[in-house]
Amino acid sequence: IAGITQAPTSQILAAGRRMTLRCTQDMRHNAMYWYRQDLGLGLRLIHYSNTAGTTGKGEVPDGYSVSRANTDDFPLTLASAVPSQTSVYFCASSDRDSTDTQYFGPGTRLTVL
Amino acid sequence: GEDVEQSLFLSVREGDSSVINCTYTDSSSTYLYWYKQEPGAGLQLLTYIFSNMDMKQDQRLTVLLNKKDKHLSLRIADTQTGDSAIYFCAESIKAAGNKLTFGGGTRVLVKP
Repeated sequence: IAGITQAPTSQILAAGRRMTLRCTQDMRHNAMYWYRQDLGLGLRLIHYSNTAGTTGKGEVPDGYSVSRANTDDFPLTLASAVPSQTSVYFCASSDRDSTDTQYFGPGTRLTVL
Repeated sequence: GEDVEQSLFLSVREGDSSVINCTYTDSSSTYLYWYKQEPGAGLQLLTYIFSNMDMKQDQRLTVLLNKKDKHLSLRIADTQTGDSAIYFCAESIKAAGNKLTFGGGTRVLVKP
């Protein structure tokens, strides 16, 4: 069982380009999340999905979009990347059980020049 | 509002106990979590505590929760060099759909 996988591991991107970060989980978790991690700011929620077919905005959604066509996949798209989107991006999933523990992927390091 | 705060840095000698502190502002939190992040890796869940508990112990880890003061702590007994990492506390609030709010992280450095 792989858990949560993210791709790519890292990427350098020119400003203005479109980029999709991929996230796949094999735990059949209902909920999935995208966070960005910036130094000194901890993790901030970008978008989330409580179940396939639904999505919601987190704390910092501007410039990002998501889709949840099925249970396993939750891609994050930057339509036109800007340097302030340079960050480490983490995908997570949870079972929405009583503890609602979130399990994290290994992260994608994105640099926008 | 939701706000979780942690000190930035903790230095401890190998074999000593580490205590990492966290404060939060929302009294309606349901669960509080401690995650560990090693360099270049994702977040790994260490432990969690339900909001109606005062203490939880799991091997070398002890979590203390003071709901009155909205204070959470993680004690690591017999700290090892492998415990060097960034530790994040997080709270989930049922009214907010159980979304997590993270603190900024405490970097723990264990010196031999």
